[in-house]
Amino acid sequence: EAGVVQSPRYKIIEKKQPVAFWCNPISGHNTLYWYLQNLGQGPELLIRYENEEAVDDSQLPKDRFSAERLKGVDSTLKIQPAELGDSAVYLCASSAGDPDTQYFGPGTRLTVL
Amino acid sequence: EDQVTQSPEALRLQEGESSSLNCSYTVSGLRGLFWYRQDPGKGPEFLFTLYSAGEEKEKERLKATLTKKESFLHITAPKPEDSATYLCAVRSNFGNEKLTFGTGTRLTIIP
Repeated sequence: EAGVVQSPRYKIIEKKQPVAFWCNPISGHNTLYWYLQNLGQGPELLIRYENEEAVDDSQLPKDRFSAERLKGVDSTLKIQPAELGDSAVYLCASSAGDPDTQYFGPGTRLTVL
Repeated sequence: EDQVTQSPEALRLQEGESSSLNCSYTVSGLRGLFWYRQDPGKGPEFLFTLYSAGEEKEKERLKATLTKKESFLHITAPKPEDSATYLCAVRSNFGNEKLTFGTGTRLTIIP
C-alpha cells in the first residue's frame, strides 16, 4: 500500500513569491492534516480536513496561507506571498477516522531566500 | 495550554548500551500520549500510543511507559539503525484532535 505522497520534496523561492504544496493521502483515509515543522522542533498543526471540510484551521495564518481539498482526496497548501520565516518543512498526514494513528508523508522542505 | 518537554535534546550511546528518553507533559485531561520516530528527511513514523498511567507497550528494542506526568521510551541494547529523532506528542480530551509535539530527542547509536 502506498503511503502519503507529497510534492515537491524541495522548493526554493524568493520572498514575496507564491508557492504551493500538494499531498495525496493514503487511499481511503478521510482525515488529512497539514503540519509545519521548523528545524529542531516538533510538527505543529496548521489545518485538519474531514473529507472536504476544514474542521480545524485555527492555527493557519489566513492572511497568507490557504488550503483546499476539493474532492475530499488530495489537498493543496498555498502560501502567497512567502516570507523568510516560512522556511520550514511542510508535512502532510492522513488517518482513516482514527485520530490516534496518523501516517505522515516525507514532507516538502521550503527555503525562502 | 498543552505542553510537552523532552529530554535530553541529544543522546549518544554505544551499540548495546541501554538508556531511556523522557517526555514530561502538561495537559488538561490526557486523551493519549504518542511516540514517533523521525529519520532525517522523512516524516514522523508512528511507534506507540499510551492512554492511561501504568500502561506499557513494546516493539522490538523499544518499550514505552506512562505515568500521570511523564512517559519514558526505554531502548534496550540499541543498534545503529535505532539512530533517529524520537518525538513525543499528547492529545487532550478537550477541544479538537490536535497533537502537541515536543522538540524531540536526537538519538545516535555508535557502532
